[in-house]
Amino acid sequence: DAGITQSPRHKVTETGTPVTLRCHQTENHRYMYWYRQDPGHGLRLIHYSYGVKDTDKGEVSDGYSVSRSKTEDFLLTLESATSSQTSVYFCAISESSGGEQFFGPGTRLTVL
Amino acid sequence: SQQGEEDPQALSIQEGENATMNCSYKTSINNLQWYRQNSGRGLVHLILIRSNEREKHSGRLRVTLDTSKKSSSLLITASRAADTASYFCATVDNQAGTALIFGKGTTLSVSS
Repeated sequence: DAGITQSPRHKVTETGTPVTLRCHQTENHRYMYWYRQDPGHGLRLIHYSYGVKDTDKGEVSDGYSVSRSKTEDFLLTLESATSSQTSVYFCAISESSGGEQFFGPGTRLTVL
Repeated sequence: SQQGEEDPQALSIQEGENATMNCSYKTSINNLQWYRQNSGRGLVHLILIRSNEREKHSGRLRVTLDTSKKSSSLLITASRAADTASYFCATVDNQAGTALIFGKGTTLSVSS
């Protein structure tokens, strides 16, 4: 987990509220990713970034938006949280496209 | 959709035994990676094997790749209780090129 942090680590919120998760890195890696992990599904990519202000959608991007205004920060926003977005969210970083990824500790989000 | 499928889903062995996990995937890949996840933690990169490589070693880990069968195996020799974790394969698609696509994982339990 060295060099990559996520905040908050745990969050409980109610349906319909906006939620923002933050990923912060100190490694100056170009690529950053947001995944969600659910039982029976493994890890699924939500969005990723290949540079400041450069982002693209992943497999399960509906209901999520992202922003990257600085190299070190990648924000994931749930505009209006739903119970189906209850999950563990992981941020990851990599130096190169398709290279090994380094994961943060995860954020456990519960939407009631 | 999921690219990799690990087999078996769960594996229980005794300390000192070898553990073999298999991964099958669907498309042409640039590389294949294996990750470990301890309970409640983020994923940790173990090894990366490129599409033009057939075998790679790292400590007690041995990874093979057969691109003609679209499959890979991870062998952990002389297992220890500390190897208890979930193991995931992830592929980098030749077309997509950037993001990892993860399988659902194999849960390994090593008892002493």
